[in-house]
Amino acid sequence: GIQVEQSPPDLILQEGANSTLRCNFSDSVNNLQWFHQNPWGQLINLFYIPSGTKQNGRLSATTVATERYSLLYISSSQTTDSGVYFCGGPGGGADGLTFGKGTHLIIQP
Amino acid sequence: DAGVIQSPRHEVTEMGQEVTLRCKPISGHDYLFWYRQTMMRGLELLIYFNNNVPIDDSGMPEDRFSAKMPNASFSTLKIQPSEPRDSAVYFCASSLGGGNTIYFGEGSWLTVV
Repeated sequence: GIQVEQSPPDLILQEGANSTLRCNFSDSVNNLQWFHQNPWGQLINLFYIPSGTKQNGRLSATTVATERYSLLYISSSQTTDSGVYFCGGPGGGADGLTFGKGTHLIIQP
Repeated sequence: DAGVIQSPRHEVTEMGQEVTLRCKPISGHDYLFWYRQTMMRGLELLIYFNNNVPIDDSGMPEDRFSAKMPNASFSTLKIQPSEPRDSAVYFCASSLGGGNTIYFGEGSWLTVV
């Protein structure tokens, strides 16, 4: 499977700020997904985005497959955005995901 | 629609005991995944099934771990005997088709003392 690196590892912001989270992967991908793990441990799928750009409310994601990276944008952060954000690329067999170590985001009121 | 359902949500057991974790995937999904999350190793894929057939179990840490999927709506992950280093959150996930959006259950928090 591919190697997935996420940056930054930690990020502390004030409510209302914008943020960009990055995911680099070691090889080409046909399956790239972003997840949010909330403080209660639930893993919520945010985007399935092997290429291009998608938007969902204050969140958007862009994957540039040829350059092997993906970005997650969070605008006008709210305290409920706190948690750990993971990206996952293909690995662990043809259909499983290999995850990065995550970005731990804290949004302060 | 109900999401992926896991049980138990929390379990504390003594070293040497057998642990069975259960999962019901989203109805109609043909892929089922078992992941383990620890602070040291992050999220690791243990095994996954397609149409109830195990496809890749290379992530299963050792022979103490086994997984089954007797039908399309039920899977188990068993640890026998359990050890303190097995303490982790075990997630089940499912998807419709390979390489598609994966949906996670809420996890089973296992503590082996």
